Amino acid sequence: GIQVEQSPPDLILQEGANSTLRCNFSDSVNNLQWFHQNPWGQLINLFYIPSGTKQNGRLSATTVATERYSLLYISSSQTTDSGVYFCAVEASNDYKLSFGAGTTVTVRA
Amino acid sequence: DAGVIQSPRHEVTEMGQEVTLRCKPISGHDYLFWYRQTMMRGLELLIYFNNNVPIDDSGMPEDRFSAKMPNASFSTLKIQPSEPRDSAVYFCASSLGLEAFFGQGTRLTVV
Repeated sequence: GIQVEQSPPDLILQEGANSTLRCNFSDSVNNLQWFHQNPWGQLINLFYIPSGTKQNGRLSATTVATERYSLLYISSSQTTDSGVYFCAVEASNDYKLSFGAGTTVTVRA
Repeated sequence: DAGVIQSPRHEVTEMGQEVTLRCKPISGHDYLFWYRQTMMRGLELLIYFNNNVPIDDSGMPEDRFSAKMPNASFSTLKIQPSEPRDSAVYFCASSLGLEAFFGQGTRLTVV
């Protein structure tokens, strides 16, 4: 099956800092999503981004499908940004989302 | 829409007991997925349905696990008999074949 690698595994930020999370995948994809799992365990949809660039407030994401990677940018981080960020991809002609291991982000006040 | 609704939110049961997890997908969605999250294995797909029909159950760990979708608005995941290694958070998700939305999960503890 498709392989999904996220980096870094852990990230500690000072409030107000910017950061970039990376997701590499091993095959062509129909779908790519970024999720935030908050400290209560909820999986919150951030972006549906199989290609291109999107922005939502302080967060933005870019997927370069031809080079098989996606980036999630967090700007002016806040303590509420803490949690685990997952990248999930759906290989071509397959409706199953495969998840990366996640990046654990800790934002300190 | 209220989103994907799962029940119960928490379940504690004794080894050997039957456990049933429930899911109501977002109205109109035609794909439904069951995932399991553990520290060791992360988020893994167990089974998914399209238009109430099971399409791929290759992720179901063993015969003790079964899933049904009797209609477009309801699905169950059953574990019989349950074992301590089944302890995990079980998520249900639904989609229209594109963006998937997840429920809040059921935290299962088997003692």
